[in-house]
Amino acid sequence: AQSVTQPDIHITVSEGASLELRCNYSYGATPYLFWYVQSPGQGLQLLLKYFSGDTLVQGIKGFEAEFKRSQSSFNLRKPSVHWSDAAEYFCAVGPRVGNNRKLIWGLGTSLAVNP
Amino acid sequence: GAGVSQSPSNKVTEKGKDVELRCDPISGHTALYWYRQRLGQGLEFLIYFQGNSAPDKSGLPSDRFSAERTGESVSTLTIQRTQQEDSAVYLCASSSGLAGPNEQFFGPGTRLTVL
Repeated sequence: AQSVTQPDIHITVSEGASLELRCNYSYGATPYLFWYVQSPGQGLQLLLKYFSGDTLVQGIKGFEAEFKRSQSSFNLRKPSVHWSDAAEYFCAVGPRVGNNRKLIWGLGTSLAVNP
Repeated sequence: GAGVSQSPSNKVTEKGKDVELRCDPISGHTALYWYRQRLGQGLEFLIYFQGNSAPDKSGLPSDRFSAERTGESVSTLTIQRTQQEDSAVYLCASSSGLAGPNEQFFGPGTRLTVL
């Protein structure tokens, strides 16, 4: 079955510390991969996406993610977290072909940032 | 350009009443999605429209839920005989459809409260 797993439901880091949010997927073929962020009271915003090419992708707000095909993972990273990064983060994957382009979503990781 | 818009932003209703939620996708986007997000939870897929194809209704939780879309424009999500467990934020997203990566753009959501 197709699925996306975000193993960490909640993570707390100190401001200035590095961050890694994990995402693993189960899919028939290499999908498109996305990370979205939902800040408190805000809508969902795309952070970054992987389609092809370089497996290390850069996104907005200083985030990056690395696609590892052998591990079926697409982990999100940031070298130094800011208090404003406190939010809910969702990983999603979607098909490259076919007539149904519905995304499969993880359940999200809630990030808290200590001052 | 204009993003995805949703109305109303907030809706309070009494148990047993019907409600209609509206979504205006980004112009030219052929795909439209409805999601439900309960407080502190992830995204729950409800329904997906792709052009003139039959919609993917696999996520609708009961026959009280239905949605329509006129061509490639506005969509309405209708919940009949609302129940307290229907209280949630209802999110709409649109994407450019089958051509290329299916990145979804989200609206601000409608917060539904059933008393």
